[in-house]
Amino acid sequence: QQQVKQSPQSLIVQKGGISIINCAYENTAFDYFPWYQQFPGKGPALLIAIRPDVSEKKEGRFTISFNKSAKQFSLHIMDSQPGDSATYFCAASVVGFQKLVFGTGTRLLVSP
Amino acid sequence: EAGVAQSPRYKIIEKRQSVAFWCNPISGHATLYWYQQILGQGPKLLIQFQNNGVVDDSQLPKDRFSAERLKGVDSTLKIQPAKLEDSAVYLCASSYRASQPQHFGDGTRLSIL
Repeated sequence: QQQVKQSPQSLIVQKGGISIINCAYENTAFDYFPWYQQFPGKGPALLIAIRPDVSEKKEGRFTISFNKSAKQFSLHIMDSQPGDSATYFCAASVVGFQKLVFGTGTRLLVSP
Repeated sequence: EAGVAQSPRYKIIEKRQSVAFWCNPISGHATLYWYQQILGQGPKLLIQFQNNGVVDDSQLPKDRFSAERLKGVDSTLKIQPAKLEDSAVYLCASSYRASQPQHFGDGTRLSIL
C-alpha cells in the first residue's frame, strides 16, 4: 500500500514533442505528490509538486495532472528538449515532504 | 547558497568490511535525511533526523547500519559489516523544516566486492 507505481520505465521523445510519465498509488493518506529530476551522478532535484485538492499544476513546460478518484497522477513535459534527458521520479508522502515514497523512475531521452 | 555536501563520492570495499559516509547539510537546515538508491530504483528513506534527534529510522537495517548527527549539523552513516546487497548510492538530503522541500546531495556510490 506504500508503493508508488511508475510507468513507463524508459521513454524516447523527439525534440519538441510531449513527454508523459504516469504514476499510480494506493494509499489514500498520501497528501503530497512531487516529481524529481535526476541527472547521472547527481542527486534528485525537485521539479514540481501538487496536493490532491488541485487537479492540475503548471510551471513553465512542466505540468502535473492529478486524478484523485483514479489515484493517478502524471507529469507532462511540453516542447521536450535534449536538456530534459534525465531520470524522472514521482513520489508521494503523507506529511508534507516527509516520508517520501519514490516510484521506480523513468529514463527519458529526448532525441535532437 | 552552498548545497548539501557528501563525501566520499565513491567507495569500493570488500564484503564484511566497514564503511562510513559523511554529510554536511545546507546551513540552517534542521532536518536531515539519508536515502539508499539501488541501481534502477528510486531512493528509499533510511533515517530522518530533526536537529540531532532521530524522527524515523523504521527502514534502517539496525543490525548493520548506524547513523548519527552530532550537534545537529553534520551526519555520518556507517555500515558494519557490509553485504553485497548494500551496493548502492547513498544520498543525503536536508530541509529547513520537516515540512519543506528536501535538497539532495550528489551521493556516495558504494560498490561491494
